[in-house]
Amino acid sequence: GDSVTQMEGPVTLSEEAFLTINCTYTATGYPSLFWYVQYPGEGLQLLLKATKADDKGSNKGFEATYRKETTSFHLEKGSVQVSDSAVYFCALSEGAQKLVFGQGTRLTINP
Amino acid sequence: GAGVSQSPSNKVTEKGKDVELRCDPISGHTALYWYRQSLGQGLEFLIYFQGNSAPDKSGLPSDRFSAERTGGSVSTLTIQRTQQEDSAVYLCASSSTVTYGYTFGSGTRLTVV
Repeated sequence: GDSVTQMEGPVTLSEEAFLTINCTYTATGYPSLFWYVQYPGEGLQLLLKATKADDKGSNKGFEATYRKETTSFHLEKGSVQVSDSAVYFCALSEGAQKLVFGQGTRLTINP
Repeated sequence: GAGVSQSPSNKVTEKGKDVELRCDPISGHTALYWYRQSLGQGLEFLIYFQGNSAPDKSGLPSDRFSAERTGGSVSTLTIQRTQQEDSAVYLCASSSTVTYGYTFGSGTRLTVV
């Protein structure tokens, strides 16, 4: 079945550092790919998405490119802030089916 | 409504009791999903509704768990004879088309004591 594998956390960085959180997937078809973020004490929020190969999703300075050849959707940000501290989830869905999530990566940014 | 509403936000129940968790999706969203997030764990899919039908209930962990949706809107997740391992945050999400992502509610934190 479909699955998502994320870089294991926790990840701790200093403010203004470059961030990469790796995400790879296995799917039978052509899934849509997502990154969700969960800030402390809050619910899940959609961060960005891509629906087909080579699409780049972007939001709040974060980017991820749908790479079909490497089945990856790595999350990047050029300069992180303390307010980016959260748990990040990579996910996929195929058609009108459930979202399949990775295990989540906890990110802590120190001032 | 403007967002996905879940109630109650917190529920403490005694082992063996039944609980009902409610989800009000965004108006017009035909798809509704229930997930469970246990402490330190990822997100576990429970059940998916399209309208009032449940084409995928493969994630329900046991026959103590059931869910229904009426009028293509409100959904109720029922857990019978709760166990301590049922303690988790239960999340509901709705979507009109999966390519735009899902909108999640804030969840119900269930604690079984």
